[in-house]
Amino acid sequence: NAGVTQTPKFRILKIGQSMTLQCTQDMNHNYMYWYRQDPGMGLKLIYYSVGAGITDKGEVPNGYNVSRSTTEDFPLRLELAAPSQTSVYFCASSYPGRGPNEKLFFGSGTQLSVL
Amino acid sequence: KNEVEQSPQNLTAQEGEFITINCSYSVGISALHWLQQHPGGGIVSLFMLSSGKKKHGRLIATINIQEKHSSLHITASHPRDSAVYICAVLYGGSQGNLIFGKGTKLSVKP
Repeated sequence: NAGVTQTPKFRILKIGQSMTLQCTQDMNHNYMYWYRQDPGMGLKLIYYSVGAGITDKGEVPNGYNVSRSTTEDFPLRLELAAPSQTSVYFCASSYPGRGPNEKLFFGSGTQLSVL
Repeated sequence: KNEVEQSPQNLTAQEGEFITINCSYSVGISALHWLQQHPGGGIVSLFMLSSGKKKHGRLIATINIQEKHSSLHITASHPRDSAVYICAVLYGGSQGNLIFGKGTKLSVKP
């Protein structure tokens, strides 16, 4: 079982560059999430999706975009990268109401630096 | 403001000790998650609970909805339990309404 696969693991961007963080899950989960984790702070939700074609903003969506064309994939797009987007990013998935799959399953994280 | 407070922030224990980590929150919730973040950064979900108590191996999680409080207990602690333990609460019925605590850093010495 691959679970939640997130790429890349590390990336350095220059200010103003763009990139896409990839996330895919093979558990047929309907819910997918993107979080960022800043030092000393709790995880904060950027965007989430309740199924293919449906996305919604979280607490800190500015500067990011997402799409959900399939159940499996939920990429996060950074446009015009800024130093404030330096963070560790986590993708996660879950299936509320489905027993053990109600729990959150996390990808391994992406450490992003914007210089 | 919806908040999740964890205590203690840092905890050092000797191998074999009984560990308790606390989580308090300020709003009515529908569920609470306990997560473990390894030193390498990976995050694993330990429990999701909405009432009572759950047990898995040496880990026990309890929740008191009326008191807005949850505890995570580790029995017979081991150095491999060293990690950051994170509490997160789900409120408002939407999966997007998940608020995370800042975590409790546990270090278990041999």
